[in-house]
Amino acid sequence: NAGVTQTPKFQVLKTGQSMTLQCAQDMNHNSMYWYRQDPGMGLRLIYYSASEGTTDKGEVPNGYNVSRLNKREFSLRLESAAPSQTSVYFCASREYLGNQPQHFGDGTRLSIL
Amino acid sequence: ELKVEQNPLFLSMQEGKNYTIYCNYSTTSDRLYWYRQDPGKSLESLFVLLSNGAVKQEGRLMASLDTKARLSTLHITAAVHDLSATYFCAVGHANTGNQFYFGTGTSLTVIP
Repeated sequence: NAGVTQTPKFQVLKTGQSMTLQCAQDMNHNSMYWYRQDPGMGLRLIYYSASEGTTDKGEVPNGYNVSRLNKREFSLRLESAAPSQTSVYFCASREYLGNQPQHFGDGTRLSIL
Repeated sequence: ELKVEQNPLFLSMQEGKNYTIYCNYSTTSDRLYWYRQDPGKSLESLFVLLSNGAVKQEGRLMASLDTKARLSTLHITAAVHDLSATYFCAVGHANTGNQFYFGTGTSLTVIP
């Protein structure tokens, strides 16, 4: 079972470059999430999609855009990368209703020079 | 906005000892989760706590929830090296639109 798949796993960008992080899940979950993880700050929600066709801002949305392409896929785009966006990015999914935990991908380690 | 605080941030303990990690949150929640993260890896779900007084146990880990105090604990019994990891609590509420708020994490190192 693949679960939540993120691509790429590693990426180095120069300031000002753009990039899209891809996320796909095969568990038929309605809700999908993008987090960033920085040392000493836990996980912070960037954007989430409660169900196909909807997206909402989380705690730290500035500098990012998202697209819920279909039920399986949720992408995160950095239009003009900044060094402050150097982080580890995690995608997660879960059922919209009920109390099941989130399932996380393996993360994308992004460095912006 | 829901705030979640964990302490301690770092914990170094000897094998065989007991310890507790604390997770406090600022407003009413109807669901609390504990996750484990090994270095360089993804997050893995450990426990889901849904009601006041809920207690879940697996192996040497036991989690509990006190909704009145807005406090969850993760108790480690007779620690072993394999428990070395970072532990996160996450809190959510139906009113927050299916969002979840994570604590800063507790980095646990178990020393032989």
